[in-house]
Amino acid sequence: QQQVKQSPQSLIVQKGGISIINCAYENTAFDYFPWYQQFPGKGPALLIAIRPDVSEKKEGRFTISFNKSAKQFSLHIMDSQPGDSATYFCAASVSLSTNFGNEKLTFGTGTRLTIIP
Amino acid sequence: DVKVTQSSRYLVKRTGEKVFLECVQDMDHENMFWYRQDPGLGLRLIYFSYDVKMKEKGDIPEGYSVSREKKERFSLILESASTNQTSMYLCASSLGTLGAQPQHFGDGTRLSIL
Repeated sequence: QQQVKQSPQSLIVQKGGISIINCAYENTAFDYFPWYQQFPGKGPALLIAIRPDVSEKKEGRFTISFNKSAKQFSLHIMDSQPGDSATYFCAASVSLSTNFGNEKLTFGTGTRLTIIP
Repeated sequence: DVKVTQSSRYLVKRTGEKVFLECVQDMDHENMFWYRQDPGLGLRLIYFSYDVKMKEKGDIPEGYSVSREKKERFSLILESASTNQTSMYLCASSLGTLGAQPQHFGDGTRLSIL
C-alpha cells in the first residue's frame, strides 16, 4: 500500500520557469513532510520540510504548499535553473509519537526534473 | 557536516552468495536505516536501528538481515543473494531525539546479482 503518491514521474521545465511537483498522502497521522533532492551518483539530501500547522513554507526559490483538508502538499521551484535538475522525493512521517517509529519516513516514488536552457 | 560512508559504490555478486553491505556514520547518531531505491518505486525501507544491537523491520525485510554491533556502523546482509535483489542500496542516519530529524544519506551501493 503506497501511502504517499507523487506526481509527475518526470518533468521538463524551461530555465526561468516554475517547477511544480505534487504529493498526496492517506495517513492522517502524518505530521512532518520533508522534500529530498537527489543528484546523480549522490544520496538524497533534505531540501525543505513543513509541518501541517502552516500552509506554506518558503526557502529561497523553493516553496512547500500544504493543504491539510485535501491531504496534499506540493513543491514549487521558482525561476528554475539547470542546476536544479535532479530527482525529488516527497516524504511523510509521524514525528510527535512517543513510540519509536516516528523517525520512519514514507517516501513518494520520485520525480525526475530536467531544466532545459 | 554529517558524513555517512558506504563501503562500496559498486558491487557484483553471484546468486546464492552471502553479501555484506557496510555503512558508517561519524556524527554519533542513534538511528540508522537501510533503503533500496528502484526506478518508479522510490525509496523503500528495509530495516532500521534505533540503538546498538536493536533493529526493526521496515517495509521490505524479506531476504535481508542487519547487524549493529557498534553505534557508528550498520551492516546489511543478504543471506543468499538473488537476482531480484539487484538494486541501489542507500544507508542513512539521524539523531535519535523525539521530533522529526533529517536523515543523512550515503551515496549508495549499486549491487548487481548475476
